[in-house]
Amino acid sequence: DAKTTQPPSMDCAEGRAANLPCNHSTISGNEYVYWYRQIHSQGPQYIIHGLKNNETNEMASLIITEDRKSSTLILPHATLRDTAVYYCIVKAQGGSEKLVFGKGMKLTVNP
Amino acid sequence: SQTIHQWPATLVQPVGSPLSLECTVEGTSNPNLYWYRQAAGRGLQLLFYSVGIGQISSEVPQNLSASRPQDRQFILSSKKLLLSDSGFYLCAWRHRTGGNGGYTFGSGTRLTVV
Repeated sequence: DAKTTQPPSMDCAEGRAANLPCNHSTISGNEYVYWYRQIHSQGPQYIIHGLKNNETNEMASLIITEDRKSSTLILPHATLRDTAVYYCIVKAQGGSEKLVFGKGMKLTVNP
Repeated sequence: SQTIHQWPATLVQPVGSPLSLECTVEGTSNPNLYWYRQAAGRGLQLLFYSVGIGQISSEVPQNLSASRPQDRQFILSSKKLLLSDSGFYLCAWRHRTGGNGGYTFGSGTRLTVV
């Protein structure tokens, strides 16, 4: 599975949109982009995933570039409860059972 | 709806004592089940996964073992705990058919070996 690169941390003001970047320049054609987050002392929470089209659900939007080498997770109106470590993961459907978590990115939403 | 249960939430055990952590999933059949560990200040590491009853795959050689006695039950065990076994243990599941869906994690067990 391809590796991802995320900045170590980011701050965002409450109520503003949070745009979380992720680079995955070695992504293969059959690999999906997954986003999870982990709030302190809790298990990771699935947010969204996509292959090549932009995706939106009740939690967030996922924008994947046309060449699929990078993506952005958008939290449209960040709240204090969105403070967490966000993980961008690429994984092939039906591939290895490993869901490999990197170091992720700490998002701090400030009042 | 599907739910995943882990217990206990916290555990303090002496070195050399045994360990048994249990995870159960409700509302689905034939799930893939996983045990992850997160050491303090570090990332999540996959320890074991299971695609069926009695089928266990180990990702990292260690002092731990896993068993799946029933379809929706996954147990993490140790005969003798080490200090290095301390960490945050997470159980997860996903549909066996995989599809495009994500993994669902339990709330975790924080284990401190003293």
